[in-house]
Amino acid sequence: EDQVTQSPEALRLQEGESSSLNCSYTVSGLRGLFWYRQDPGKGPEFLFTLYSAGEEKEKERLKATLTKKESFLHITAPKPEDSATYLCAVQAGGSYIPTFGRGTSLIVHP
Amino acid sequence: GAGVSQSPRYKVTKRGQDVALRCDPISGHVSLYWYRQALGQGPEFLTYFNYEAQQDKSGLPNDRFSAERPEGSISTLTIQRTEQRDSAMYRCASSPTDNQPQHFGDGTRLSIL
Repeated sequence: EDQVTQSPEALRLQEGESSSLNCSYTVSGLRGLFWYRQDPGKGPEFLFTLYSAGEEKEKERLKATLTKKESFLHITAPKPEDSATYLCAVQAGGSYIPTFGRGTSLIVHP
Repeated sequence: GAGVSQSPRYKVTKRGQDVALRCDPISGHVSLYWYRQALGQGPEFLTYFNYEAQQDKSGLPNDRFSAERPEGSISTLTIQRTEQRDSAMYRCASSPTDNQPQHFGDGTRLSIL
């Protein structure tokens, strides 16, 4: 069974304090790994797709990386507006059904 | 608007009633997914369509749940004889094809009294 585990469950940072969120996965044949941001009361908003180990994607203060077992979402010098829940999802094998992790709730204090 | 639209945003109904939740995907998106999301959890897959064809319904909890997308655009998730355990946030997402990132609606909050 495909498994996606995100850590930590919750993270509090001071503004400007860089950190990383982890998404580890156990799947057969990764098709793609997706990162989403979810604000309270809203649906998840797409951030990045990664397809193969070694791939990296960047957007403003966010950078996503991928290895054969896990992905990291690095947040550099975060701002309070980066506060949200970050979700990771994987598609694997012959399936186009994404399996989501439980998310990491990030709070950035001014 | 160009995003995924779900209606109603909130639905409160009595146990035993049938409910229909609607999803209007982004125009031109082939794939449409239905999820259920509990508080503090990621979305849990229910079913998905490519065009009008239901590709997988393995996530539907039981035969009270059904979904359709008759013209390959708008989709309806129907729950018959609702039970309190059906209370949840139901989310719809669409994507250009089924191996591309999904765009989510803001969901329907269903409460069964």
